Amino acid sequence: GAVVSQHPSWVICKSGTSVKIECRSLDFQATTMFWYRQFPKQSLMLMATSNEGSKATYEQGVEKDKFLINHASLTLSTLTVTSAHPEDSSFYICSARVAGEPRRKFFGPGTRLTVL
Amino acid sequence: GQQLNQSPQSMFIQEGEDVSMNCTSSSIFNTWLWYKQDPGEGPVLLIALYKAGELTSNGRLTAQFGITRKDSFLNISASIPSDVGIYFCAGQGRSGTYKYIFGTGTRLKVLA
Repeated sequence: GAVVSQHPSWVICKSGTSVKIECRSLDFQATTMFWYRQFPKQSLMLMATSNEGSKATYEQGVEKDKFLINHASLTLSTLTVTSAHPEDSSFYICSARVAGEPRRKFFGPGTRLTVL
Repeated sequence: GQQLNQSPQSMFIQEGEDVSMNCTSSSIFNTWLWYKQDPGEGPVLLIALYKAGELTSNGRLTAQFGITRKDSFLNISASIPSDVGIYFCAGQGRSGTYKYIFGTGTRLKVLA
């Protein structure tokens, strides 16, 4: 299957700093990428949908100014957690939809964010 | 956010036993998917279902798309220790959005 990578795999930062997480589709083009957040022992909750070259669409309750999403190319989307606080500590997972193949969507390995 | 109801929440089973879990929704979905997630990793697709009533197998796994389009089940036959993990169902509703709603998860523990 297609490969989606995330970088970094884990990050620890101080409260108030910003953290950028990258999501890359390694061997395919992804017109749409999705960002999820997963708290311990909970399910994946969709945060936003990003389409290449356009603004991301955020789910209800997700602050767009806090979670900045950029999808500048068909293989890269970034999520920046601005002014991170301990309650932002979570597992962030992206998924990418294969361009032209709506049924094919692949998940990245996730990024563990810990805010001290 | 919206979630699908998944049951059971967790289960301990003996190696070799069959396992069954299901997922229900108050909304209709056009696609049902089943994923397995190991600790600290992203979910991995097990089975995808695209048509009401569809029954699909992947090795020891079998999943069905409910006729009402509001539920799905996953069976694992002859479980082995590496089946340990969290199983999530996911549904995709309106076509064109490609957004998945995930279930609450079933944590499976297999006793050797």
